Amino acid sequence: GAVVSQHPSRVICKSGTSVKIECRSLDFQATTMFWYRQFPKQSLMLMATSNEGSKATYEQGVEKDKFLINHASLTLSTLTVTSAHPEDSSFYICSASPGKAGNTIYFGEGSWLTVV
Amino acid sequence: QKEVEQDPGPLSVPEGAIVSLNCTYSNSAFQYFMWYRQYSRKGPELLMYTYSSGNKEDGRFTAQVDKSSKYISLFIRDSQPSDSATYLCAMSAVGKLTFGTGTRLQVTL
Repeated sequence: GAVVSQHPSRVICKSGTSVKIECRSLDFQATTMFWYRQFPKQSLMLMATSNEGSKATYEQGVEKDKFLINHASLTLSTLTVTSAHPEDSSFYICSASPGKAGNTIYFGEGSWLTVV
Repeated sequence: QKEVEQDPGPLSVPEGAIVSLNCTYSNSAFQYFMWYRQYSRKGPELLMYTYSSGNKEDGRFTAQVDKSSKYISLFIRDSQPSDSATYLCAMSAVGKLTFGTGTRLQVTL
């Protein structure tokens, strides 16, 4: 079946630095990918919709200058957390769908970010 | 009112029990309904996907959708300790998923 790969699975960085997380669709092309954040024991919160070849669409309250999203190809989207702070520590998950709206959406394994 | 309501649990059942997990929703535009299983510190894993009212069965799992009542359910038969996880319902209208809060399930020996 369709697989979405996310890397790195776990990263620790110092405050003030930037961290990049990659999301790849391994056996299908995805014009749209989604980035979520999940705090412990809470549900997934959509951060932004990543559109191939165009700017990402951010949800209300998500700083686009802090969470940079690049969707340079049909199989790769990246999320860069810039000037990371300890409160950015969270579980970041991407998802992608092989088809049009409503088709099955698959998730990556997630990336644990710890900012120290 | 949240668009999707889900009892967070935790729900504890003995091995072999039938588990019923439920979500209600308010947005009539939702057309696609999914159930995901999430183990601790892992990404969600798709269990069931349906887009019409009625039942869909896959092994020990049955997904039920009642669009008239805006109510969906996931039934797990012969529950196993390995089923212990958080179960998230999700719905979409135009590709963007809206999640329930997740129900934490614990299946005990």
